[in-house]
Amino acid sequence: NAGVTQTPKFQVLKTGQSMTLQCAQDMNHNSMYWYRQDPGMGLRLIYYSASEGTTDKGEVPNGYNVSRLNKREFSLRLESAAPSQTSVYFCASSEGVRQLNIQYFGAGTRLSVL
Amino acid sequence: LAKTTQPISMDSYEGQEVNITCSHNNIATNDYITWYQQFPSQGPRFIIQGYKTKVTNEVASLFIPADRKSSTLSLPRVSLSDTAVYYCLVGERMGTNAGKSTFGDGTTLTVKP
Repeated sequence: NAGVTQTPKFQVLKTGQSMTLQCAQDMNHNSMYWYRQDPGMGLRLIYYSASEGTTDKGEVPNGYNVSRLNKREFSLRLESAAPSQTSVYFCASSEGVRQLNIQYFGAGTRLSVL
Repeated sequence: LAKTTQPISMDSYEGQEVNITCSHNNIATNDYITWYQQFPSQGPRFIIQGYKTKVTNEVASLFIPADRKSSTLSLPRVSLSDTAVYYCLVGERMGTNAGKSTFGDGTTLTVKP
């Protein structure tokens, strides 16, 4: 029962480097989400995808791009990393339009930008 | 989007009942109230969801008054393992806007022996 799988678990980048965070779910969910969580803070929505082929901005989209590759996978890209993007990134999924919109979360990716 | 307000922190002792209240004065007609629990270094986990009156499951109860401007998560007989951050979310249950709920900063519950 994998649920939501995020890779990598840890990453250290230098300012200006780029990287892609991967997320995959095996629950046949329609909707997927990317959040960031700064120390001692709540989660803030970066982008979400209500269904395959669609994406929408959340609260803090600047500096990020996303791709809903297929129903299972939703990736988050940092084109030019900045120290302000040091955070823990969580991916989540939910069944979507017919159900309770209960979100299931991955274990997170801990990113440090130096 | 409905903004939520929760206490920053709460302390309790093992075996006590804990009630965490969330204020959401501008809740919309289509909005549901959902609570999540987050342990350190983990993603949040769903606890309970409701629309009005009372909902109970094997983990918690959720009380929602008639005006729906607040809700209370009730954890019966807490143990040390209930120490976590609890988030109240308000948002649509389904549809393209369902993903736009905001988590806020949550309530840190510390259960003491």
